[in-house]
Amino acid sequence: DTAVSQTPKYLVTQMGNDKSIKCEQNLGHDTMYWYKQDSKKFLKIMFSYNNKELIINETVPNRFSPKSPDKAHLNLHINSLELGDSAVYFCASRRAGTEAFFGQGTRLTVV
Amino acid sequence: RKEVEQDPGPFNVPEGATVAFNCTYSNSASQSFFWYRQDCRKEPKLLMSVYSSGNEDGRFTAQLNRASQYISLLIRDSKLSDSATYLCVVNRGDDMRFGAGTRLTVKP
Repeated sequence: DTAVSQTPKYLVTQMGNDKSIKCEQNLGHDTMYWYKQDSKKFLKIMFSYNNKELIINETVPNRFSPKSPDKAHLNLHINSLELGDSAVYFCASRRAGTEAFFGQGTRLTVV
Repeated sequence: RKEVEQDPGPFNVPEGATVAFNCTYSNSASQSFFWYRQDCRKEPKLLMSVYSSGNEDGRFTAQLNRASQYISLLIRDSKLSDSATYLCVVNRGDDMRFGAGTRLTVKP
């Protein structure tokens, strides 16, 4: 059973489109994250949610809107996609004070 | 200044070598610390937690110096399979910050 699963694994789309990435964790963790890893491989935090409440919003353009319907899910919706949004997006979850577990990543390519 | 700074690397070492990675963090209120490993085109995975007293897991030793806000990872007797990017991670509450990573290549 996959602990943190995100879909889709690959996403190729045109500039200007709107797309969503879904994430689910079955670990019972309270905190979930979205990270962006760009071509330089730096893993940058975007959002953190704790029990459905937004905790961290790290100067991300408002074209990115996270949604947490329950504490096991954290989805990411992106409006008006731009070339610079191309990256690998990782979802993660953790229990307070412990390590984070990551999904396999969604490789987004905007053409 | 980035919250978590790491040696940029890359490190290219022969099998059997000992290699050390360093990391510094800027926020003295940071609470917990980890080393992660990321293989090419894969997700980061926990390598080990880092404790103030230092901790060892086989060939891997992690150290934390809170006064200097410094974390280290030592890999002894490097194996080809150790080739990966090593990420230093610093946590404060729900905020988990990653260093830029250090790429290690172990060669035969």
